[in-house]
Amino acid sequence: DAGVIQSPRHEVTEMGQEVTLRCKPISGHDYLFWYRQTMMRGLELLIYFNNNVPIDDSGMPEDRFSAKMPNASFSTLKIQPSEPRDSAVYFCASSFRGNEQFFGPGTRLTVL
Amino acid sequence: AQTVTQSQPEMSVQEAETVTLSCTYDTSESNYYLFWYKQPPSRQMILVIRQEAYKQQNATENRFSVNFQKAAKSFSLKISDSQLGDTAMYFCAFMKPNDYKLSFGAGTTVTVRA
Repeated sequence: DAGVIQSPRHEVTEMGQEVTLRCKPISGHDYLFWYRQTMMRGLELLIYFNNNVPIDDSGMPEDRFSAKMPNASFSTLKIQPSEPRDSAVYFCASSFRGNEQFFGPGTRLTVL
Repeated sequence: AQTVTQSQPEMSVQEAETVTLSCTYDTSESNYYLFWYKQPPSRQMILVIRQEAYKQQNATENRFSVNFQKAAKSFSLKISDSQLGDTAMYFCAFMKPNDYKLSFGAGTTVTVRA
């Protein structure tokens, strides 16, 4: 079985540009999570979905960040406009009924 | 918010030896879940072991075992017979039932020396 798939693996962009990160959860999983990892703040949850519905977005840093899950097999995290402080590794994870979370390989984002 | 503390930023261990990583947490909940995740240089997050707070027995997965002390709010991870492939950062995490949000500690970098 394929695990959680994220694309791109690496993204380098300039300040002010729009960035879209993509995630395909494990088939059959009903929860999807977006995390951000930085040296300063460690791993922090941004938002999570249950059955494609956003449940808790309290971790989303500001209005520049948005996430969608149009169907059970796809989610996006968008940053518009991007800033250098958004540079981080972004992880997507999925789980079945909220049990153990399986993580994707992450997207390393660099905003110049 | 739950607080998870890993007080050891780095640890080094000789191959085949044992190393123990500490984790403490702060919660008023009586039931919850605790996890240890491994993040090797590839940066993939891998679940190592999971413990449910209502279970008295300590979880074990092959060479990995935990010492769960509920009253002390302590959840340490023991890696026995360390292997070079165990070199990674290890994160302790906490989750409340029906909340589904993982709260992570700062991580402990483990280096296994040949």
